[in-house]
Amino acid sequence: GAGVSQSPSNKVTEKGKDVELRCDPISGHTALYWYRQSLGQGLEFLIYFQGNSAPDKSGLPSDRFSAERTGGSVSTLTIQRTQQEDSAVYLCASSPGVKYGYTFGSGTRLTVV
Amino acid sequence: AQSVSQHNHHVILSEAASLELGCNYSYGGTVNLFWYVQYPGQHLQLLLKYFSGDPLVKGIKGFEAEFIKSKFSFNLRKPSVQWSDTAEYFCAVNGGSQGNLIFGKGTKLSVKP
Repeated sequence: GAGVSQSPSNKVTEKGKDVELRCDPISGHTALYWYRQSLGQGLEFLIYFQGNSAPDKSGLPSDRFSAERTGGSVSTLTIQRTQQEDSAVYLCASSPGVKYGYTFGSGTRLTVV
Repeated sequence: AQSVSQHNHHVILSEAASLELGCNYSYGGTVNLFWYVQYPGQHLQLLLKYFSGDPLVKGIKGFEAEFIKSKFSFNLRKPSVQWSDTAEYFCAVNGGSQGNLIFGKGTKLSVKP
């Protein structure tokens, strides 16, 4: 597609359950990023993938968070044993290179109850 | 670590007023700088970017930003705002070998008709 696609757009889950969030980047974009947006907190970097290099996981807040990118395209962000503080909008972006900026998806709004 | 400061949390203007949103970053080397906008209910969109050349950058919808290296600033300006500019604005920086963007916490702009 023409843009970055994220699914689901909304997810409500019970505390302690695992969730998977999906991102389809723009075709040909070598870099893929995950951020978390909370009210009043701006965008918090989580992880990024660049080509075939090892991902930069330096922003992941705990070992409950993980992500993978298969075939240099689709990415999945997994949150295990969700907690209420994980409630946020999870944003995916892709880019041909960081100096060109990102194209963002519409995000997945995660609510942990 | 790199950081970005947006000093104004919420700015309220009347239509036709001039706008300047502050952005300061902390990184002493070569930087790439960006402004993103998020209209209500929409995803983040790139307004403008700077990575070299003329420090006065023009973006979409009449916005411009000036990179002042000595002040570590990249302020966003618009001579005359419209009600449709009501949105949240995010400044972002990428410096050196950093592979991802660091975002400020955002400035919410409300324009009164």
